[in-house]
Amino acid sequence: DTGVSQDPRHKITKRGQNVTFRCDPISEHNRLYWYRQTLGQGPEFLTYFQNEAQLEKSRLLSDRFSAERPKGSFSTLEIQRTEQGDSAMYLCASSSADTQYFGPGTRLTVL
Amino acid sequence: GENVEQHPSTLSVQEGDSAVIKCTYSDSASNYFPWYKQELGKRPQLIIDIRSNVGEKKDQRIAVTLNKTAKHFSLHITETQPEDSAVYFCAASPGNNDMRFGAGTRLTVKP
Repeated sequence: DTGVSQDPRHKITKRGQNVTFRCDPISEHNRLYWYRQTLGQGPEFLTYFQNEAQLEKSRLLSDRFSAERPKGSFSTLEIQRTEQGDSAMYLCASSSADTQYFGPGTRLTVL
Repeated sequence: GENVEQHPSTLSVQEGDSAVIKCTYSDSASNYFPWYKQELGKRPQLIIDIRSNVGEKKDQRIAVTLNKTAKHFSLHITETQPEDSAVYFCAASPGNNDMRFGAGTRLTVKP
């Protein structure tokens, strides 16, 4: 499968714990995006990388969220001190131009 | 920033009928308008997109129209089939990776 992959697919954690998600983009794509999707809503932009540089961050992204793409390939999204409101589907997408291709997402449940 | 509104939120049609979903956008700089289909528990998948230098694009039973003056674009599905049942999202981007999604339309095609 040469599409975007994400790991884990599901994560259940207790409030206050830290979690980290991984995204592997399509190999030739230099752009990588993170989105959050809650039930009944469209994907909400969180942050964007071009190669290893994080070029944009949504103002919705609190300082508990951090993302990296150290070698310009895979990316990680970390949420520190999780809150129940962080429960959502976290989607990763990659592109080489306009068209973004999504991964299957990581569903986070914070108890 | 860009704001995308999508209507209707739910749509139910009989198999074989046509379905139309409409979106409006606010940023006149937006020049790329994709449509994604998301089945339950699965990733959003691109079904068609249109750029601002084109007014209409068609791919088999799916067509998208764009009215730049009025800042709205629409998805048309003809001869609907039960497998078209899903949530459809429109999106708009000014090409700077700031893609905003509509809230989605849940389409149900009744056999």
